[in-house]
Amino acid sequence: NAGVMQNPRHLVRRRGQEARLRCSPMKGHSHVYWYRQLPEEGLKFMVYLQKENIIDESGMPKERFSAEFPKEGPSILRIQQVVRGDSAAYFCASSPFRDRQPQHFGDGTRLSIL
Amino acid sequence: QQQVKQSPQSLIVQKGGISIINCAYENTAFDYFPWYQQFPGKGPALLIAIRPDVSEKKEGRFTISFNKSAKQFSLHIMDSQPGDSATYFCAARAGANNLFFGTGTRLTVIP
Repeated sequence: NAGVMQNPRHLVRRRGQEARLRCSPMKGHSHVYWYRQLPEEGLKFMVYLQKENIIDESGMPKERFSAEFPKEGPSILRIQQVVRGDSAAYFCASSPFRDRQPQHFGDGTRLSIL
Repeated sequence: QQQVKQSPQSLIVQKGGISIINCAYENTAFDYFPWYQQFPGKGPALLIAIRPDVSEKKEGRFTISFNKSAKQFSLHIMDSQPGDSATYFCAARAGANNLFFGTGTRLTVIP
């Protein structure tokens, strides 16, 4: 009974490169949420997706960031042309319902920008 | 603008003592208040949650107290144990909208 799986756990990129973060929700869950956590801060909502649909992306920066959750495969959070300020832990959570209370979080991807 | 204000930032408690973490909010539309526990290198895990129609909810050693008029809620950990050492986040949600998290409290329970 695997939980929410995120990979990679750690990702190092140089400024200007692209970062791809993957999230496989719990079995049977079709709703995925992405959050960003800066050091010593709480989590901040980025985007909420259902299979093949973006439900709410109000927390996503307007440029360089995109997310998808295809019919098959994991959800992907993509950051283009990364900058130092993108360094953070990115967490994914899933839910079986159209519900904004994520209960099951993955262990995150720690993104470091050199 | 921080929607949910959490204090203290860090807390040290003796084993067996009571840990108390406080949160305050302004948005009266918030109607769901969960607490999350996060260990180093791990994702947050839902610990306990309350809705504003009750003033207290208890699950084992964990209790949420809720004061609707003061717009405050707190987490009490009774008989704190070293294994409780973690970072605790309060959060709040309005209807079907997204969760707003506090900035976290790093709890250390000393044996």
